[in-house]
Amino acid sequence: EVQLVESGGGLVQPGGSLRLSCAASEFSFRSYWMSWVRQAPGKGLEWVANINQDGSEKYYVDSVKGRFTISRDNTKKSLYLQMNSLRAEDTAVYYCAREVLSGWFDPWGQGTLVTVSS
Amino acid sequence: QSALTQPASVSGSPGQSITISCTGTSSDVGAYDYVSWYQQHPGKVPKLIIYEVSNRPSGVSHRFSGSKSGNTASLTISGLQADDEADYYCSSYRSRTSGVFGGGTKVTVL
Repeated sequence: EVQLVESGGGLVQPGGSLRLSCAASEFSFRSYWMSWVRQAPGKGLEWVANINQDGSEKYYVDSVKGRFTISRDNTKKSLYLQMNSLRAEDTAVYYCAREVLSGWFDPWGQGTLVTVSS
Repeated sequence: QSALTQPASVSGSPGQSITISCTGTSSDVGAYDYVSWYQQHPGKVPKLIIYEVSNRPSGVSHRFSGSKSGNTASLTISGLQADDEADYYCSSYRSRTSGVFGGGTKVTVL
C-alpha cells in the first residue's frame, strides 16, 4: 500500500524552528513531485510548498517564503520541511502529499501537528 | 495566491442530490481540465475523490461526479447518505509554482 508517514511536529515558541519529515513507502518516490499542505485548526487546506523529483525546483506560498525550506532525500525516500522563524499563524496540521503531474494530491500522510505558542 | 471560491455549506436530505461549486479564474479552473476534489471527515485525512475534473479513483463511489464549465467546477453527490457528511475541498492546477485549494464546503445530511 502506498503510504506517507509524517513526523517531527510539536510545540515550539514563536521565532523557533522545527523540522518535519515524511517517509514514503511502496511507490517510486524519486519519480514524483511532492508537496506539503497545512490546515490550521478549524480552517481549510493551504498548499505550502512543493519540490520536483530531483530537488532542483522548489516553490512556496508567499507567507512562508524565506522562512521554510522544502527538501528531499531520494535515497531515504524522505521529504522534509525545515521551518524557521515560526509564527503563531503557522500553527496547523502539516500533511505531506504525493503530487501528480496534473496537480492532484494522492495519497496524503496522516499529518503532524505544529503548535507555535509561548 | 487567492483561494478558489466554494460555498461555506450545502445541505440535503438522504437520497437527494447536491452540488458544490468551485469558482476560479481563467488562470486555473478555466485554463486546465485539472480540477480535483477531496473529502475530509472530522479529524481525518483528506481523501481524493475526483481528479482531472471528472475521473474517480478506484474505490470511490459512483455517486460522486464532477464537471466543469468555464471558470467554475462542480461536484455532485447523488443519493446522499449519512456518511457523506464531511468537508469537501476543490483544487486546481495553476502552475508548478503554486498550488491552490478552495475554502471548503461543509456538507450536512439533514
